[in-house]
Amino acid sequence: QITLKESGPTLVKPTQNLTLTCTFSGFSLSTSRVIVGWIRQPPGKALEWLALIYWDDDKRYNPSLKSRLTITKDTSINQVVLTMTNMDPVDTATYFCAHAMIGTPFDPWGQGTLVTVSS
Amino acid sequence: NFMLTQPHSVSESPGKTVTISCTRSSGSIASNYVQWYQQRPGSAPTTVIYEGNQRPSGVPDRFSGSIDSSSNSASLTISGLKTEDEADYYCQSYDSANLCVFGGGTKLTVL
Repeated sequence: QITLKESGPTLVKPTQNLTLTCTFSGFSLSTSRVIVGWIRQPPGKALEWLALIYWDDDKRYNPSLKSRLTITKDTSINQVVLTMTNMDPVDTATYFCAHAMIGTPFDPWGQGTLVTVSS
Repeated sequence: NFMLTQPHSVSESPGKTVTISCTRSSGSIASNYVQWYQQRPGSAPTTVIYEGNQRPSGVPDRFSGSIDSSSNSASLTISGLKTEDEADYYCQSYDSANLCVFGGGTKLTVL
């Protein structure tokens, strides 16, 4: 059974950096074709894809946020870390991580973690 | 990059059929698989359709997906609507550089 769980601060101040960790079980991110993605959802708004990391350490970023995002993995402890710099109140959202494989949907997703950006 | 445009909301009565569209702004809708996710309030999304028309195990066959190249759109059709189908639905696809795109979501009301 695959599970993922997001962790990190619930409140960050404007201009601070955000570091979120996705801890997963039931699969290995060193296995061919495996992907972990980050997606966020502002309150009452739509899903927005942020970043992907592949089993071979290839990475993809949302072009509109690319300059602010870094995604890394530590396969030895089954974690993926997303860093977002220079946080702003508009970045207030629930942040999800999710498992996928090449050509398959994001499934399953973590429960999500709400991050509020406020002074 | 391209956009996926969905209607903001749709509503229909129990037992009826509803179709939600997802129109790709540029490039062919058929060039990359389209996924559909259901999201109930307070929960993470779950897949209801993948690869355009495939249902994961556990998803009832009332859910179906299709592609229409003439309108460059994908569609999610839910037949025999139940109140439990009331949720937000999102389409999702990739571009040729493996950049992911989500549609803006459609709120389905079953009344």
